[in-house]
Amino acid sequence: KAGVTQTPRYLIKTRGQQVTLSCSPISGHRSVSWYQQTPGQGLQFLFEYFSETQRNKGNFPGRFSGRQFSNSRSEMNVSTLELGDSALYLCASSLGDIDKYEQYFGPGTRLTVT
Amino acid sequence: GQSLEQPSEVTAVEGAIVQINCTYQTSGFYGLSWYQQHDGGAPTFLSYNALDGLEETGRFSSFLSRSDSYGYLLLQELQMKDSASYFCASYNTDKLIFGTGTRLQVFP
Repeated sequence: KAGVTQTPRYLIKTRGQQVTLSCSPISGHRSVSWYQQTPGQGLQFLFEYFSETQRNKGNFPGRFSGRQFSNSRSEMNVSTLELGDSALYLCASSLGDIDKYEQYFGPGTRLTVT
Repeated sequence: GQSLEQPSEVTAVEGAIVQINCTYQTSGFYGLSWYQQHDGGAPTFLSYNALDGLEETGRFSSFLSRSDSYGYLLLQELQMKDSASYFCASYNTDKLIFGTGTRLQVFP
């Protein structure tokens, strides 16, 4: 079974631009969560989507948004990029309520904002 | 709020046993998970404790004490490939919150 895939793997953007990251979950998984990982703040929860609905949201500004499609693929968008948005963005999928404690992570997208 | 605290770094030699602790403050605790992350890699799930006690999975074991708000990951027969960061994690109203992370360095 194929794992979680994320595209692109690396991205360099300029302050003020916007970016869209993509995540394809494991086949059959309906829940997709997004996390931001930085050396200073660690792994922080951004949001979770389940069956095309945002189910939970972390403490991030409205510049961070996402969506999920009917095939469970998910996208995350960050508008008006700031230097502090430079991070590794990870998505993870799970079956949902069943086995939600076991999440499968993708390799991440390394975003650099200059 | 919710927080999970871990030691920042632990070192050990090959073949040894190491314990990585996690103390938590949560509202609505739903159990403790552990993840491993190698440098440049993605976190991978190791174990989950819903109830108090010890869960064993090969060389790795995880323990939970709800009364003490404490858990640990025990790694036995350490190998060089176990050098990685280890995170405890817990759900808070359906948001998976990660601990501060412990970097384990295994020396020959």
